[in-house]
Amino acid sequence: AQSVTQLDSQVPVFEEAPVELRCNYSSSVSVYLFWYVQYPNQGLQLLLKYLSGSTLVKGINGFEAEFNKSQTSFHLRKPSVHISDTAEYFCAVSEFGITGGGNKLTFGTGTQLKVEL
Amino acid sequence: DGGITQSPKYLFRKEGQNVTLSCEQNLNHDAMYWYRQDPGQGLRLIYYSQIVNDFQKGDIAEGYSVSREKKESFPLTVTSAQKNPTAFYLCASSIRTGPQETQYFGPGTRLLVL
Repeated sequence: AQSVTQLDSQVPVFEEAPVELRCNYSSSVSVYLFWYVQYPNQGLQLLLKYLSGSTLVKGINGFEAEFNKSQTSFHLRKPSVHISDTAEYFCAVSEFGITGGGNKLTFGTGTQLKVEL
Repeated sequence: DGGITQSPKYLFRKEGQNVTLSCEQNLNHDAMYWYRQDPGQGLRLIYYSQIVNDFQKGDIAEGYSVSREKKESFPLTVTSAQKNPTAFYLCASSIRTGPQETQYFGPGTRLLVL
């Protein structure tokens, strides 16, 4: 069974500083990986996804993530954060080639990014 | 304007009462999903449906029921058997392109118990 670990429940950072949100996954097969962002009392918005090809994936709002198969990681980074980036970020994984089971996503427990002045 | 709508935004349930959460999409997506979100626990899958008139249980289906009579609609009923229904409920939909899908989410419904 697949699983996702987001070790940092909260990450405080000053505005214009760089940030990295960590995500590690476990799966016995190849995976697709996703990062979603959630603003207070709203649904999830897709930030970026890794399906195949280049291991460095660029998303919206200046975020990027790097897939590292040997370390089973998919960390999210931004070189300079803004106050408006304050939100909760979720990493998710789905297994490649699963049939008959839909596209079941397994989510991490989320990381609250708090950007301070 | 395409998207996923959920209603109501807030819903209050009395003890022993069944309540139904609405989810509608006009994206022509085949699959639809219901998740429950509790603080510190991420999202957990309740039910999902890949095609009309068919649906499967997710990881926490007990106390919930769904129907999929139309492609664009996937309502969730929280029954009186669900003893701890207070949570944020999120609906999602996806379309399969080759071997992969991407899920897109609605704005959510917050359910509170009176």
